[in-house]
Amino acid sequence: IVLTQTPLSLSVSPGQPASISCKSSQSLLHSDGKTFMYWYVQKAGQSPQLLIYEVSNRFPGVPDRFSGSGSGTDFTLKISRVEAEDVGVYYCMQSINLPPGFGPGTRVDI
Amino acid sequence: QVQLVESGGGLVQPGGSLRLSCAASGFDFRTSPMYWARQAPGKGPEWLACISEDGYKPFYGDSVKGRFTISRDNSKNTLYLQMNSLGLEDTAIYYCARITRWGRGTLVTVSS
Repeated sequence: IVLTQTPLSLSVSPGQPASISCKSSQSLLHSDGKTFMYWYVQKAGQSPQLLIYEVSNRFPGVPDRFSGSGSGTDFTLKISRVEAEDVGVYYCMQSINLPPGFGPGTRVDI
Repeated sequence: QVQLVESGGGLVQPGGSLRLSCAASGFDFRTSPMYWARQAPGKGPEWLACISEDGYKPFYGDSVKGRFTISRDNSKNTLYLQMNSLGLEDTAIYYCARITRWGRGTLVTVSS
C-alpha cells in the first residue's frame, strides 16, 4: 500500500486553518468495519505522537482543533487554528496491512 | 503512565550484531501487540517488525527480513530486537512502539 500526502510542506500563519490530504493506493476499510488510518506528528527531537486513530478519533490529550475525516482511500487531517506548538512533520499511516506504512510526511511551519 | 524505554544501541561495525531491549510499563504488556520501528537521519519513520501478544506471530518488513528477530518476554514486560548482519543503511534511531505510543528511541550507528 502506497500513501501519498499533499502538500509535502505547508507554511501557515498562527490562527489560520491547515489541511493535509492522504490518499491510499488501496482501501483501508477492514472487513470488521474499522478503517485503519492514523495521523501522527513528529516534533523536532521527539518521537512520533499519535493524533488521530481510525480516521477521526482524537487520541486522549490531543486538542480539539485537530480533526480527521475521510473513508476508503481518501483522508484529511485538519487543524482549525494553527498554533506555534503545531510545528512539525505530520504523517499519515495505515495498519490494515502488516507491517504498517507511513506516508512521506508533511512539514508544517509557522 | 505508559512508558517504553529502549536500550542496547551503540556503535557497531558493518556485519556485526546488536540486541535491543525495550522495558514496558504502565499498561498490560501481555495483551498488547508490539512493534519496532526506526528512523534514519533525515528520513521518515519505518516500521520494521511486529509481534503478537503471545509472541507466536512475528512479522517483518522487507528491509530486515532474515536479519532481524523480534521477540518478547511477557514475564519481564520486555520486548527485544536481535539485529544481525548490520549494514551502513541500518544506522538509525530505533523505537519500541505500540500504535498509540512510541518510546524515545535508541541510536544505532553502523560504521567501520
